[in-house]
Amino acid sequence: GAVVSQHPSWVICKSGTSVKIECRSLDFQATTMFWYRQFPKQSLMLMATSNEGSKATYEQGVEKDKFLINHASLTLSTLTVTSAHPEDSSFYICSARSGTGVGETQYFGPGTRLLVL
Amino acid sequence: AQTVTQSQPEMSVQEAETVTLSCTYDTSESDYYLFWYKQPPSRQMILVIRQEAYKQQNATENRFSVNFQKAAKSFSLKISDSQLGDAAMYFCAYITTSGTYKYIFGTGTRLKVLA
Repeated sequence: GAVVSQHPSWVICKSGTSVKIECRSLDFQATTMFWYRQFPKQSLMLMATSNEGSKATYEQGVEKDKFLINHASLTLSTLTVTSAHPEDSSFYICSARSGTGVGETQYFGPGTRLLVL
Repeated sequence: AQTVTQSQPEMSVQEAETVTLSCTYDTSESDYYLFWYKQPPSRQMILVIRQEAYKQQNATENRFSVNFQKAAKSFSLKISDSQLGDAAMYFCAYITTSGTYKYIFGTGTRLKVLA
């Protein structure tokens, strides 16, 4: 099946710094990628939809200036958490849309655990 | 608005037995896809099975099968011959083929497999 990677898998940073998380589709091109946040023992919360070559679409309540998303190519989307604070600590998951119509599926990356001290 | 409900926060099954996880959804759309994803302790989301709404035949993938009842808006997952490796969180998800393309996830069911 299709593979999506995320880097880094685990990051610790100081409060006030920025952290960039990369999401790559390794064996397919993804015009659309998604960023989710998952709190412990909870479901995935969609943060934003990232479209190649255009601005991301953010879900209600998600600060676009805090969570910067860039989808510069068909295989790479990045999420930058700017001026991170302890409340931003969470598990961030990306996914990439593969195919269209009947065969389309969303494949998930392994996630990035962010801890802000 | 579309919603996905998983009414069982936790389920247990004896190894080699069969277990069914429930999922209901609400939508006014006629064409959509439904999925079951598995999230083991590693937290990697793994696609278990998918169902197209226009298909009457229930999807099957090895030990995993679904009971798709479109009129009742029900999409349950049956796991046969349960194995220890099946222990995980299971999320039901819905996506419409029209309008805004985004997954709507249920709250998840934690499955424990007892040896």
